[in-house]
Amino acid sequence: QVQLVESGGGVVQPGRSLRLSCGTSGIPFSSSGMHWVRQAPGKGLEWVAMIWSDGSKTYYADSVQGRFTISRDNSENMLYLQLNSLRAEDTAVYYCARDKGVTSLDYWGQGTLVTVSS
Amino acid sequence: DIVLTQSPATLSLSPGERATLSCRASQSVGGSLAWYQQKPGQAPRLLIYGASNRATGIPARFSGSGSGTDFTLTISSLEPEDIAVYYCQQRSNWPLTFGGGTKVEMK
Repeated sequence: QVQLVESGGGVVQPGRSLRLSCGTSGIPFSSSGMHWVRQAPGKGLEWVAMIWSDGSKTYYADSVQGRFTISRDNSENMLYLQLNSLRAEDTAVYYCARDKGVTSLDYWGQGTLVTVSS
Repeated sequence: DIVLTQSPATLSLSPGERATLSCRASQSVGGSLAWYQQKPGQAPRLLIYGASNRATGIPARFSGSGSGTDFTLTISSLEPEDIAVYYCQQRSNWPLTFGGGTKVEMK
């Protein structure tokens, strides 16, 4: 049974940092590309970042480039997203998702809510 | 960035009716298009990948078609459990982008 479980969300002040985690089971994590996608309250989906299976390449949305860092630990089947210099517009549910390798994301976690507010 | 425009924004249909959802890309994405279903309070679920391939466990009433810039998701006979927001997504070019969504509601 495939499980992706995000954690680490919460309320944080503007300018502060947060680290999100995504624990996985039931997928060949070390051979899977992984993504973070977010969804602001009442809004659509916004892709945030992607990391190759071996961690050698990363991609970011312009809106988070230079502030967020995606990383992974293949020995622990864990995916991370470091969020720095947070802004009110970063408030969203953050989902981790697996890259299917054929244009799409096939497994998703239930998400963790990040609220940036003073 | 490739912009995906979905239409209509909202689709109101009766059970058993056919639903046709459109996704138009600002430039060609070839066949690199996927469709997702998202119900309230839930994570998105992959329905269609590679424009026309049903994901594992997806009912046959869901089908995808199109290539280049124009794509369609069809629900052949709407069921009450199909009430959701549907998103298209491309990965032909970075960054990966999503459409704004089509909300399907019951009339």
